[in-house]
Amino acid sequence: KNEVEQSPQNLTAQEGEFITINCSYSVGISALHWLQQHPGGGIVSLFMLSSGKKKHGRLIATINIQEKHSSLHITASHPRDSAVYICAVKRSDFGNEKLTFGTGTRLTIIP
Amino acid sequence: NAGVTQTPKFQVLKTGQSMTLQCAQDMNHEYMSWYRQDPGMGLRLIHYSVGAGITDQGEVPNGYNVSRSTTEDFPLRLLSAAPSQTSVYFCASSYFGGGTGTLGAEAFFGQGTRLTVV
Repeated sequence: KNEVEQSPQNLTAQEGEFITINCSYSVGISALHWLQQHPGGGIVSLFMLSSGKKKHGRLIATINIQEKHSSLHITASHPRDSAVYICAVKRSDFGNEKLTFGTGTRLTIIP
Repeated sequence: NAGVTQTPKFQVLKTGQSMTLQCAQDMNHEYMSWYRQDPGMGLRLIHYSVGAGITDQGEVPNGYNVSRSTTEDFPLRLLSAAPSQTSVYFCASSYFGGGTGTLGAEAFFGQGTRLTVV
């Protein structure tokens, strides 16, 4: 079982819909990242969270440390939100430097 | 524009050839890293650096070398390319993340290099 699991793997929605992408992890973490990978391949960092909730424009990210779960929400979705959304966790093990990445959720917003 | 410049965007190599993927950033970030992205797998860390003169191995370092002679540049060298190194490679940079050197709160990625080894 992967340490970071994202769901769903693929999501297609109509423009304007409220979108939720989930990330569950099985290890202790000190931080969690949400990244966006555009269809052309470029990757953009959206959020880094260690607790609570962050908001940027139409994007909201939440994390529940006790439940080992994070969600990325998109309000009033738009075709330009079509991308792969990737969750990555920074383990809290002492001296462990690496991030563990999920395999991504491919989001397609239809006009 | 400020950011991470990664070159080349595409490359085809023959088995056994060597090459260097270039990565440069102009944001004075301490932390730089190289990842590879393969179908059905998450990004995997190859090598990283927490500052000039300091590098360390990530999850999948075999077959790759790095150096960090300046803060700005972090090239990735493939010593003798193998078909298993066919992948998309990303360079990333950020300020220190939480003091242990992984991606900081605002990480910047290069545009990626699609490498095919035949």
